[in-house]
Amino acid sequence: DAGITQSPRHKVTETGTPVTLRCHQTENHRYMYWYRQDPGHGLRLIHYSYGVKDTDKGEVSDGYSVSRSKTEDFLLTLESATSSQTSVYFCAATTSGARNEQFFGPGTRLTVL
Amino acid sequence: AQKITQTQPGMFVQEKEAVTLDCTYDTSDQSYGLFWYKQPSSGEMIFLIYQGSYDEQNATEGRYSLNFQKARKSANLVISASQLGDSAMYFCAMRGPNNNAGNMLTFGGGTRLMVKP
Repeated sequence: DAGITQSPRHKVTETGTPVTLRCHQTENHRYMYWYRQDPGHGLRLIHYSYGVKDTDKGEVSDGYSVSRSKTEDFLLTLESATSSQTSVYFCAATTSGARNEQFFGPGTRLTVL
Repeated sequence: AQKITQTQPGMFVQEKEAVTLDCTYDTSDQSYGLFWYKQPSSGEMIFLIYQGSYDEQNATEGRYSLNFQKARKSANLVISASQLGDSAMYFCAMRGPNNNAGNMLTFGGGTRLMVKP
């Protein structure tokens, strides 16, 4: 599993509540990513990090924020969850280098009622 | 902007036969990489194969090979001798040139492969 864990694995919450998803890696990867997966869209990048405290927006960043205070942890926060954010969220990590594969966590299934 | 297109939402293949999953891409970059991932019903993303834009030979990994046609901007996945365990979603993805995003990937919509016994 390349040392990437996500918590929680499943969460049901109500519209308007804040939600934080955690990604933890043990391989000292520099780059970390948050994707969401929805039917018909594959995986779409939400935010990414290229080092501690260095983050940037991806394709679908509206309504999300991230933080990375340590190399091993990358947090994704939904400040006020909406039903459109019901999705499966994947964290991924990689080292630099053109051929390096991106390792994925097991995913978090989030349902916003 | 980069774009990945997988035109086959679903496919059937008979066990032990070969199958080709299509992937076309659009990019203005000269340096890029192409990946294929497998997602079984359990949900995890499993890396299968990688092809760099400057690689002269098609990539192979066991029963997986990548039919890379640069001029046509296609990177089709070929699975030889299909097995029941190959039933899954398959995603094609592209990495752009290295920047702060490292290996940030753009994914296609996926193809669901079903292997018939």
